[in-house]
Amino acid sequence: DAGVIQSPRHEVTEMGQEVTLRCKPISGHDYLFWYRQTMMRGLELLIYFNNNVPIDDSGMPEDRFSAKMPNASFSTLKIQPSEPRDSAVYFCASGPGTIANQPQHFGDGTRLSIL
Amino acid sequence: GNSVTQMEGPVTLSEEAFLTINCTYTATGYPSLFWYVQYPGEGLQLLLKATKADDKGSNKGFEATYRKETTSFHLEKGSVQVSDSAVYFCALSDYGGATNKLIFGTGTLLAVQP
Repeated sequence: DAGVIQSPRHEVTEMGQEVTLRCKPISGHDYLFWYRQTMMRGLELLIYFNNNVPIDDSGMPEDRFSAKMPNASFSTLKIQPSEPRDSAVYFCASGPGTIANQPQHFGDGTRLSIL
Repeated sequence: GNSVTQMEGPVTLSEEAFLTINCTYTATGYPSLFWYVQYPGEGLQLLLKATKADDKGSNKGFEATYRKETTSFHLEKGSVQVSDSAVYFCALSDYGGATNKLIFGTGTLLAVQP
């Protein structure tokens, strides 16, 4: 079975541009998570969805960030306008149930560089 | 709030050496505890988990025991290999697993030399 698929793998863009990151979760998984990883702050949960509904977006840093999940097989994380401090690796993960019993499966990440 | 503290890296070992990576946590209630591993250029993978006190999680020669009295979940392996070189993350489930939020430590880089 295919794992979590993220695109693009790498993105380099200039400050002020809109950035859209994409994620296809594992089929049948009800939960989808977006994380950001930086050297300074480590791994941070930005938002997660259950059955396409956002459950907790308390980790979204500010209004420039938005996430959607229009259907069970696709999610986007958008940054508009982007800033250099948004440079990080962004991970999408999916899971079939509560984390006490089922692991989260991570994609390989999108490495984002904002110049 | 809930938090996880891991030992600072990098940890550099020779092949076949014994590994310990310390992890302590602060939590209300009874969280589940996890170790995830991240190989270069990849996402995180679950290595092992423990869902209640005194449980021992194990996988691929790695072990960790949920110690409530010391609020610890140290990762150990008796004989490391070069292929174990990776970043290791300790994590706990917020609200005792009732939600799907994981709180991660900062990660510990392990470098194993032949």
